[in-house]
Amino acid sequence: SQKIEQNSEALNIQEGKTATLTCNYTNYSPAYLQWYRQDPGRGPVFLLLIRENEKEKRKERLKVTFDTTLKQSLFHITASQPADSATYLCALSRRVFGNEKLTFGTGTRL
Amino acid sequence: EAGVTQFPSHSVIEKGQTVTLRCDPISGHDNLYWYRRVMGKEIKFLLHFVKESKQDESGMPNNRFLAERTGGTYSTLKVQPAELEDSGVYFCASSHREQGLASYNSPLHFGNGTRLTVT
Repeated sequence: SQKIEQNSEALNIQEGKTATLTCNYTNYSPAYLQWYRQDPGRGPVFLLLIRENEKEKRKERLKVTFDTTLKQSLFHITASQPADSATYLCALSRRVFGNEKLTFGTGTRL
Repeated sequence: EAGVTQFPSHSVIEKGQTVTLRCDPISGHDNLYWYRRVMGKEIKFLLHFVKESKQDESGMPNNRFLAERTGGTYSTLKVQPAELEDSGVYFCASSHREQGLASYNSPLHFGNGTRLTVT
């Protein structure tokens, strides 16, 4: 069955350092991968999307890599700040367009 | 623009009762999704509407769950009769529907969810 694993339930990082979160998947061939941020009592908020033919995507202090050979995505937050504290979810989808039937990981609390 | 709104934010009902959750998507978003997170588990897909049509309801757990989107605007999710295992947070999300061969979909905009507790 499809499985998505995100590294450790919680990750503690010192302010100013780079946080690296991992998303590994098995039995899945995603067309693209997304990262969301979720704060307590709120819904997930979209951060970044990367397609299967892309290696890296950046947005301000955020960087995502996608290795379809290793079946892994890494999510980096540089110069981390207390305001970055939240749960980060990775989500995968096979569809190129038309349906966001996302499969989510359980999340990593930063 | 106003975001996705869900009502109620919390609901506590007894086993066997009926509950109806409502979702108002972002105006103009044809895609509407329901997802659910039960305690300790990941968020899971329930179903997808395109306008008023059900595009994919493969995630609906059983026939106690009924989703509607009359007129292609807001959606309701009814659970009847509710069971203990239905407890969790129900999220609604919407997105703009890309036309033609878009290289990717517009991302999902989630509401803050309805926390359902069945006792």
